[in-house]
Amino acid sequence: AQKITQTQPGMFVQEKEAVTLDCTYDTSDPSYGLFWYKQPSSGEMIFLIYQGSYDQQNATEGRYSLNFQKARKSANLVISASQLGDSAMYFCAMRAWDKIIFGKGTRLHILP
Amino acid sequence: EPEVTQTPSHQVTQMGQEVILRCVPISNHLYFYWYRQILGQKVEFLVSFYNNEISEKSEIFDDQFSVERPDGSNFTLKIRSTKLEDSAMYFCASSRDRESAETQYFGPGTRLLVL
Repeated sequence: AQKITQTQPGMFVQEKEAVTLDCTYDTSDPSYGLFWYKQPSSGEMIFLIYQGSYDQQNATEGRYSLNFQKARKSANLVISASQLGDSAMYFCAMRAWDKIIFGKGTRLHILP
Repeated sequence: EPEVTQTPSHQVTQMGQEVILRCVPISNHLYFYWYRQILGQKVEFLVSFYNNEISEKSEIFDDQFSVERPDGSNFTLKIRSTKLEDSAMYFCASSRDRESAETQYFGPGTRLLVL
């Protein structure tokens, strides 16, 4: 069965610092996609970044990068130069054919 | 930029009542989904829909739930007889394809409160 594990329920980070949000996954499928979504207090789910299981390079999107270590089954999100607007809930997710499976999330607080 | 839209943004209903949540997926997408998020919990898959039929559903999606694409643009989730535990945020999502590489784009959600 597929599973996503996020072990950090909450994090506090000083503004402008880099932050790493941990995510490990479990699947027996050879082909899968890994995603990170941001959920601000308003509730919407905002797609941030995607990593394919066959991608050789780590994905990057602006200040977001995904540290993909396939052998360790980890897909950590790195946010460089954090901003106050980054305060939100962050979900790691895995696409398993028709559905996306989400982790429990990490609540990130950026401190001024 | 095209986006998924959902109406209403909030809905309050009495236990036992029927509710219909509406979604307009991105226009060139072919695969549609419903998820729910109970307050403070993770997002859970409910159902996927393609070519006018359900392609996969979770154990949450019991006989009280149904989905429909009544016309070329809308995608609806119906809860026939709401229960208190149906109170949650309901997200609609769509994607162009079902390949693992395809991102599912989420709507802003409908917050359902069952009293």
